[in-house]
Amino acid sequence: ILNVEQSPQSLHVQEGDSTNFTCSFPSSNFYALHWYRWETAKSPEALFVMTLNGDEKKKGRISATLNTKEGYSYLYIKGSQPEDSATYLCALANTGNQFYFGTGTSLTVIP
Amino acid sequence: EPEVTQTPSHQVTQMGQEVILRCVPISNHLYFYWYRQILGQKVEFLVSFYNNEISEKSEIFDDQFSVERPDGSNFTLKIRSTKLEDSAMYFCASSERTVHSQPQHFGDGTRLSIL
Repeated sequence: ILNVEQSPQSLHVQEGDSTNFTCSFPSSNFYALHWYRWETAKSPEALFVMTLNGDEKKKGRISATLNTKEGYSYLYIKGSQPEDSATYLCALANTGNQFYFGTGTSLTVIP
Repeated sequence: EPEVTQTPSHQVTQMGQEVILRCVPISNHLYFYWYRQILGQKVEFLVSFYNNEISEKSEIFDDQFSVERPDGSNFTLKIRSTKLEDSAMYFCASSERTVHSQPQHFGDGTRLSIL
């Protein structure tokens, strides 16, 4: 079982603040890193799939970077809004077709 | 937008009984997955399925579990002789291609409670 870690576990920010959190993973046998946004009582929603070292992806105010050599990915949210409140999950796909989730970062944006 | 649907949303079953959780993946997707999340813990991979056979399975997916695609639309997870520790949220997901390059689309989950 691969260990995918996310930090911090939870985060409270004021509306308008920018924030970021980290996903760390073993760099051996890396294939892809996924980010998902999971709102309470809904299903996880895909944000990004990244495969190459140095990848940067952007979707509106949310962006992510990937470093496969050192085994981490950052997710950034610019100008947080209350609707950004959710749990953000990263997941690692390795050379098998298995998928390993982190514990998630729970973000609360205070109006 | 097409969705992955799961039924039932909540299943309560006596310990020792068999349970079947059902999923309808997105119609043009080829890869199907089951995950579980025990309360307070990480989402855990159980199994991936492609071309009518299991592609990968985790250590959790032992002989108690089986998956099937009985027709062109449903994808089921069967748990035989359920135990208390099988209580969890079970999520189905599907993707057009493998998780190496494609995001997965998740259903809303089935909450399984074993009494």
